[in-house]
Amino acid sequence: EVQLVESGGGLVQPGASLKLSCVASGFTFSDYWMSWVRQTPGKTMEWIGDIKYDGSYTNYAPSLKNRFTISRDNAKSTLYLQMSNVRSEDTATYYCTRDYYSSYPDYWGQGVMVTVSS
Amino acid sequence: EIVLTQSPTTMAASPGEKVTLNCLASSSVSYMNWYQQKSGASPKLWIYGTSNLASGVPNRFSGSGSGTSYSLTISSMEAEDVATYYCLQLSSYPYTFGAGTKLELK
Repeated sequence: EVQLVESGGGLVQPGASLKLSCVASGFTFSDYWMSWVRQTPGKTMEWIGDIKYDGSYTNYAPSLKNRFTISRDNAKSTLYLQMSNVRSEDTATYYCTRDYYSSYPDYWGQGVMVTVSS
Repeated sequence: EIVLTQSPTTMAASPGEKVTLNCLASSSVSYMNWYQQKSGASPKLWIYGTSNLASGVPNRFSGSGSGTSYSLTISSMEAEDVATYYCLQLSSYPYTFGAGTKLELK
């Protein structure tokens, strides 16, 4: 069974940094592209970016490219999202997704909440 | 960036009623994907490649469309279909989602 479990969220102050993790199981992690998607409290869905199966290539939403970094550790079957200089508008639930052969997300984690507030 | 406009924003359907949800793209896309999200849960892949049902999706659902206009249709509404449905385009970066259609039971 495919499982994606995110962690690392919580309350963080504006301007701070935060690193989210997503531990994958039930499939060969190193065979799949992976992505991060977030959903705001108002339910707007935003694609953050993706990473190639070997970690050699990433794509980002232009509005987030300068502050967010996606990485992975295939030996640990773990996907990461490094967030820097966070803002109130980064308040959202963050999901990691498995991408079906660099295509559509076919599995989603349960999500982790990030609240940016002083 | 391709903008996806979903309509209606919210709708209520009676059991047995036919339902059509729309997704209009600001530029032509090769295909469309749809996700179902129930309250308090993560999104689930529902339809991929415009018309292919994900595993476990009832066959009362169907997807169609091309170019800039896509739709998800439920042939006969059931209570378990209450959810928000989002379209997602992967034809060009950055990938974008529609704002969703909230489907309720009348």
